[in-house]
Amino acid sequence: QVHLVQSGAEVKKPGASVKVSCKTSGYTFTGYHVHWVRQAPGQGLEWMGWINPKNGDTIYAQRFQGRVTMTRDASINTAYMALTRLKSDDTAVYYCARYTLGLGTNFWGQGTLVTVSS
Amino acid sequence: DIQMTQSPSTLSASVGDRVTITCRASESINTWLAWYQQKPGRAPKLLISKASDLESGVPSRFSGSGFGTEFTLTISSLQPDDFATYFCQQYNSYFALSFGGGTKVEIK
Repeated sequence: QVHLVQSGAEVKKPGASVKVSCKTSGYTFTGYHVHWVRQAPGQGLEWMGWINPKNGDTIYAQRFQGRVTMTRDASINTAYMALTRLKSDDTAVYYCARYTLGLGTNFWGQGTLVTVSS
Repeated sequence: DIQMTQSPSTLSASVGDRVTITCRASESINTWLAWYQQKPGRAPKLLISKASDLESGVPSRFSGSGFGTEFTLTISSLQPDDFATYFCQQYNSYFALSFGGGTKVEIK
């Protein structure tokens, strides 16, 4: 079975950085893009970008350009999302999701709560 | 970027009701639209892809339709397990996904 397991909750101070991991299993890691989506408390879903695990190519949503970096380590089937210069409105649950061509994001991690507070 | 507008934002209904949620795209997305169900504290769950293809294991009371810019999700007879928030997502663009704002289905 396909599984995406994310790292645990984080508490950060404004201005700090965070790095969330997404360990995958049950499929060929390099065969599917991994997308990152976040959800602020009580709010909707916000797409952040994707990484192609095969070659490391990335596309980021414009509003996160310059602050987000998505990477991967194919040797351990893991994708990462790092966000810098954190602000209080970056407080959200961050999800990784596997994208399947023609279907959309059909497998999701459990989410990682990142709290930004002084 | 493609903007997705979902309505209503909240819907109050009773068990057994027929429920319809609408999603509009700012430009044509063919049928590259998915619907998700999300319950509190949980990740979204894919219900429907390609506007009308039901995912395996999803009850047949869920259906989707539409093409281009107008899409609907219908629940033919609302069940207690269906009270949740629903999101549409376009995946027409190779460069970016985008989501509707969500529809919370509440108990009337």
